[in-house]
Amino acid sequence: GNSVTQMEGPVTLSEEAFLTINCTYTATGYPSLFWYVQYPGEGLQLLLKATKADDKGSNKGFEATYRKETTSFHLEKGSVQVSDSAVYFCALIFRGSNYKLTFGKGTLLTVNP
Amino acid sequence: DAGVTQSPTHLIKTRGQHVTLRCSPISGHKSVSWYQQVLGQGPQFIFQYYEKEERGRGNFPDRFSARQFPNYSSELNVNALLLGDSALYLCASSQWRGQSAYEQYFGPGTRLTVT
Repeated sequence: GNSVTQMEGPVTLSEEAFLTINCTYTATGYPSLFWYVQYPGEGLQLLLKATKADDKGSNKGFEATYRKETTSFHLEKGSVQVSDSAVYFCALIFRGSNYKLTFGKGTLLTVNP
Repeated sequence: DAGVTQSPTHLIKTRGQHVTLRCSPISGHKSVSWYQQVLGQGPQFIFQYYEKEERGRGNFPDRFSARQFPNYSSELNVNALLLGDSALYLCASSQWRGQSAYEQYFGPGTRLTVT
């Protein structure tokens, strides 16, 4: 079946540090890939997406590139802020899955001033 | 524009009781999906509805049911509540056609506690 594996957290960084959160997936075919962010006590917000191989999604300084050869979609940001502290989820939708999102377990990011 | 809205925000129920959770999608979105998020885990797919019909079901027992109304709002019902049903229940809406159908937008969730 389809699955998403994220790097284990928590991740703790100082402000302005470089962020990478690893995400790999297993899917029979070519899914669309997403990163969602969940701030404390809130629902999920769509952060960025990529729909085909080599696509780069970007938003609010975050980027992720759809790598078919390594089945990966790693999230990066060059300079994190305290306000980026949240849980980040990698997810996929596979055509034929009735638009069911499959999520990773999430990675907690804490950014200290 | 209003986002996805859910009610109630929080709910406390006793084992064996029944609960109904409600969701209103983003204006113009015709599909609604429900997810269960247990503390410390990623959301798990429960149902998807479009045009009042169930289009997808996750691996949840028959105690879980849902429906969608003509205005595209939706209800999730859970019967015979168990302690393990305690979770954040998330509703997501999306368009049905085209590439945008893959983008799901989530509401703030309903926090259900079963005691």
